[in-house]
Amino acid sequence: EVQLLESGGGLVQPGGSLRVSCEASEFSFGSYAMSWVRQAPGKGLEWVSTISGNSRTTYYADSVKGRFTISRDNSKKTLYLQMNSLRAEDTAVYYCAREAYGDYWIDYWGQGTLVTVSS
Amino acid sequence: DIQMTQSPTSLSASVGDRVTITCQASQDIKSYLNWYQQKPGEAPNLLLYDASNLEPGVPSRFRGDGSGTDFTFTITSLQPEDFATYFCQQYEKVPFTFGPGTTVDL
Repeated sequence: EVQLLESGGGLVQPGGSLRVSCEASEFSFGSYAMSWVRQAPGKGLEWVSTISGNSRTTYYADSVKGRFTISRDNSKKTLYLQMNSLRAEDTAVYYCAREAYGDYWIDYWGQGTLVTVSS
Repeated sequence: DIQMTQSPTSLSASVGDRVTITCQASQDIKSYLNWYQQKPGEAPNLLLYDASNLEPGVPSRFRGDGSGTDFTFTITSLQPEDFATYFCQQYEKVPFTFGPGTTVDL
């Protein structure tokens, strides 16, 4: 069974940085594009970023472009999201997600990690 | 960016009801539309992709239709486990925007 396990969430002050990680298992990690999707408390889903299997292509939402960096280490089967210059509006549960092979629908989601930006 | 709207925002229904949700894109997205279900405290779950294709393991009472800018999502006979929030998502262009969601409650 595909598993995606996020970690690294927590409380951070405005302007601070945080890196969240997602450890994948039970599938050929390097063959799949991966994404981060977030959900602010009580709100809807917001796509944040996607990275191709070979890391050559990355996409970002305008709301995070220039502040967040998606990356992956296929040897460690791990996806990362480096978040800098954090704002209160970045407070959300961050979900790691696997995109279907060769396509862009999310067929597996992690359980999410909460990032809270507050002083 | 492509904007996605859904209606209604919420609806009340009973077990056995037929429920229909609409999703509209601000521009042509062909059939590049997905539907997800999310229950409180849980991650979303894929139900349909490419507007009308059922994800393996998803019950056949979930149906999707449409192309271009207008899409519909139907639960043909609502079951107790279907009370949840439903989101559409387009993947024609980056950013892969989600609709605001439709909550189906009792």
